[in-house]
Amino acid sequence: GQQLNQSPQSMFIQEGEDVSMNCTSSSIFNTWLWYKQEPGEGPVLLIALYKAGELTSNGRLTAQFGITRKDSFLNISASIPSDVGIYFCAGQETSGSRLTFGEGTQLTVNP
Amino acid sequence: NAGVMQNPRHLVRRRGQEARLRCSPMKGHSHVYWYRQLPEEGLKFMVYLQKENIIDESGMPKERFSAEFPKEGPSILRIQQVVRGDSAAYFCASSPVGSYSGNTIYFGEGSWLTVV
Repeated sequence: GQQLNQSPQSMFIQEGEDVSMNCTSSSIFNTWLWYKQEPGEGPVLLIALYKAGELTSNGRLTAQFGITRKDSFLNISASIPSDVGIYFCAGQETSGSRLTFGEGTQLTVNP
Repeated sequence: NAGVMQNPRHLVRRRGQEARLRCSPMKGHSHVYWYRQLPEEGLKFMVYLQKENIIDESGMPKERFSAEFPKEGPSILRIQQVVRGDSAAYFCASSPVGSYSGNTIYFGEGSWLTVV
């Protein structure tokens, strides 16, 4: 089956630093999604990407859909304490089909 | 994730009992998905439903698990004769009718099942 490799597994950074995480896939996806999950909550959609090469921003977050359609990255600039949480990438083969999730990147921001 | 309503948020069951988890999708959404998340892991797909139809159940365990999305009312994920390994967070998600440009999937806040 499809697999998503997400890295790094965890990051410990100082407030104000920039963060980068990425996902690679063994197969092609037509949609890439990035979610954030906080303890005891469901994943919240941050950014959705629909086209190879697409670069999309949402405030301090920027994500790109890789040209090969097998990878995506998420950058967070000037991190703040409320950025703490687990970030998941997810790939979708076709519209409406299941999502395949990465294993998550646990982000800790030290004030 | 506002709008996708799941209940109960927390459920404790003894081994051998049944667990029923309910999900009401966002208004206007006709697709429902169920995912399971074990501690410190990512979400794993279980089943994809539309009203009165199971579209993809390839992620469902072969026994004890079933799901439905009736014409009226919420989607139900049912786990019979629960075992300790069923302890997990179960997330429901919904999306609107798909389109070529892609759709987005929004998650509920989850139902945490603990089997004792």
